[in-house]
Amino acid sequence: DTEVTQTPKHLVMGMTNKKSLKCEQHMGHRAMYWYKQKAKKPPELMFVYSYEKLSINESVPSRFSPECPNSSLLNLHLHALQPEDSALYLCASSHQSAWSTYNEQFFGPGTRLTVL
Amino acid sequence: GENVEQHPSTLSVQEGDSAVIKCTYSDSASNYFPWYKQELGKRPQLIIDIRSNVGEKKDQRIAVTLNKTAKHFSLHITETQPEDSAVYFCAATGNTPLVFGKGTRLSVIA
Repeated sequence: DTEVTQTPKHLVMGMTNKKSLKCEQHMGHRAMYWYKQKAKKPPELMFVYSYEKLSINESVPSRFSPECPNSSLLNLHLHALQPEDSALYLCASSHQSAWSTYNEQFFGPGTRLTVL
Repeated sequence: GENVEQHPSTLSVQEGDSAVIKCTYSDSASNYFPWYKQELGKRPQLIIDIRSNVGEKKDQRIAVTLNKTAKHFSLHITETQPEDSAVYFCAATGNTPLVFGKGTRLSVIA
């Protein structure tokens, strides 16, 4: 399996809801990432996990809570989001550590999130 | 930290012509430079990359060049086709996670 998969593809939620995004890869990658992408903008890094440990949190609000249950899975728990959090949420994975010299990041298809 | 500038922001070419997208970076410690293609509603897809010990790399109609002294790298697409229409992002990394350029929207006109 040479792909990163994400579920769900689309998610609509209210500001009081709690939901989770899921990401999975079976390439043996030990670094996994969450990005947020707004329309016509580049991906914006949110979190990095390296060997199942959170190594980078780019000052993301606590209403976003990441979790890495094992080396193949990455979750993003959402609670009390705001309409401005509506975006495409991308998961990615790469070999070795989070920013080793010869890194190649592979992206999942993303979850299109709409917050009402 | 690293800063990546990408130009142009939009580019229109006739089918069959070449397209060139240029990026500059600021951190001399950066040593890996990937290029991603993102079609509308789809994921960024790694199309080619170059490492700092190489000056040029080619894969069929796509090539990337790197000038470490000037801190710039470029994507060259020859014989463009309508399916090359997409947003292209350059990125750079060394000791920190990828830093992306702002993207170039390429339109190939048939």
